[in-house]
Amino acid sequence: GQQVMQIPQYQHVQEGEDFTTYCNSSTTLSNIQWYKQRPGGHPVFLIQLVKSGEVKKQKRLTFQFGEAKKNSSLHITATQTTDVGTYFCAGPHASGGSYIPTFGRGTSLIVHP
Amino acid sequence: EAQVTQNPRYLITVTGKKLTVTCSQNMNHEYMSWYRQDPGLGLRQIYYSMNVEVTDKGDVPEGYKVSRKEKRNFPLILESPSPNQTSLYFCASSPEGNYGYTFGSGTRLTVV
Repeated sequence: GQQVMQIPQYQHVQEGEDFTTYCNSSTTLSNIQWYKQRPGGHPVFLIQLVKSGEVKKQKRLTFQFGEAKKNSSLHITATQTTDVGTYFCAGPHASGGSYIPTFGRGTSLIVHP
Repeated sequence: EAQVTQNPRYLITVTGKKLTVTCSQNMNHEYMSWYRQDPGLGLRQIYYSMNVEVTDKGDVPEGYKVSRKEKRNFPLILESPSPNQTSLYFCASSPEGNYGYTFGSGTRLTVV
């Protein structure tokens, strides 16, 4: 079945440094979703990208969807301690005429003050 | 407030004792899904439902059952829990399978 691979698994940064996590799929995706899970919390939906080559920004977060719609990235500029958490990408796979998201294993971001 | 509500938040049980984790959403969402989260393995889908009375297996369905008799509720049933089902469980819902999901706060289950 479809797999969504995410790297790196962990990333330590000093506060103020940039951070990037990458998501790769074995198949073409109709869209890619990104979620953030704070320590001890639940995943929270951040954004969805649909178009080939699409770039969206949310303050210091920049999300990109690859031209072939098989990969995506999340870049955080000048990390802050509030960015700590695990970031998941999710790509839908077709099932019974609908689409159900398959999640990557996530990238845990640790920000050192 | 739009939300997905799971109960209980924490549960410790013994092997073989049937249990149910409830999940309810108040957003009139069509899609609901159960995930388990284990260290290093991310979120793995157990079961999902596309509508009332329509459910299907996810990636790790063994040992679990679900039902969708009403649109708002999607309980997860463990008929005979085993220690390898000790995990953090999340229920989630979405207006359509292709849209972002809203997650519940999670249920931490320990089976001894």
